[in-house]
Amino acid sequence: NAGVTQTPKFQVLKTGQSMTLQCAQDMNHNSMYWYRQDPGMGLRLIYYSASEGTTDKGEVPNGYNVSRLNKREFSLRLESAAPSQTSVYFCASRGSTGIEGGYEQYFGPGTRLTVT
Amino acid sequence: RKEVEQDPGPFNVPEGATVAFNCTYSNSASQSFFWYRQDCRKEPKLLMSVYSSGNEDGRFTAQLNRASQYISLLIRDSKLSDSATYLCVVRRAGANNLFFGTGTRLTVIP
Repeated sequence: NAGVTQTPKFQVLKTGQSMTLQCAQDMNHNSMYWYRQDPGMGLRLIYYSASEGTTDKGEVPNGYNVSRLNKREFSLRLESAAPSQTSVYFCASRGSTGIEGGYEQYFGPGTRLTVT
Repeated sequence: RKEVEQDPGPFNVPEGATVAFNCTYSNSASQSFFWYRQDCRKEPKLLMSVYSSGNEDGRFTAQLNRASQYISLLIRDSKLSDSATYLCVVRRAGANNLFFGTGTRLTVIP
């Protein structure tokens, strides 16, 4: 059971280049999320998908697009990268903790992206 | 105003010390509360949920004050392995997503 996996782990892009960050989970969770984490800003939600076939904007969606390919996979695309998109990107999925009906988000290991 | 505010620290404490972190949230519709732990260059992981009556998990105690919109985390008998950043997290009623504080950095010194 790998949990949440992300590829790539590191990436350097030039301004204007495009790329897709991949995320997959094997826990059969319905909800999946993309966050970015910047120093002094905390994690901020970019997009989320409550279930297969649906996506919604989060707090900072500009410059990004997402695809919920199937229940397992949720990808994040940068069409024209900008230096302001230099960040650490985390994918997460939400599922039951198995304790008293609680839920938590399980995070992938992150992608460190630098845009020059 | 930020949804969740935390003192960023850093807190540097000796082994065996007791340390407390505080957090405030701005939206009274917030319904669920959590503390996550994040090690350096790693992903966040759930430390504990925070219940209205307060809850304890070993050396960790979490408290919620809904009237003051305030959450706390107490760590007793600090260990070197407790060194990490602690994230205060809330979820609004009916919402799917979480709001994260910027985190409080703890270093436990031998």
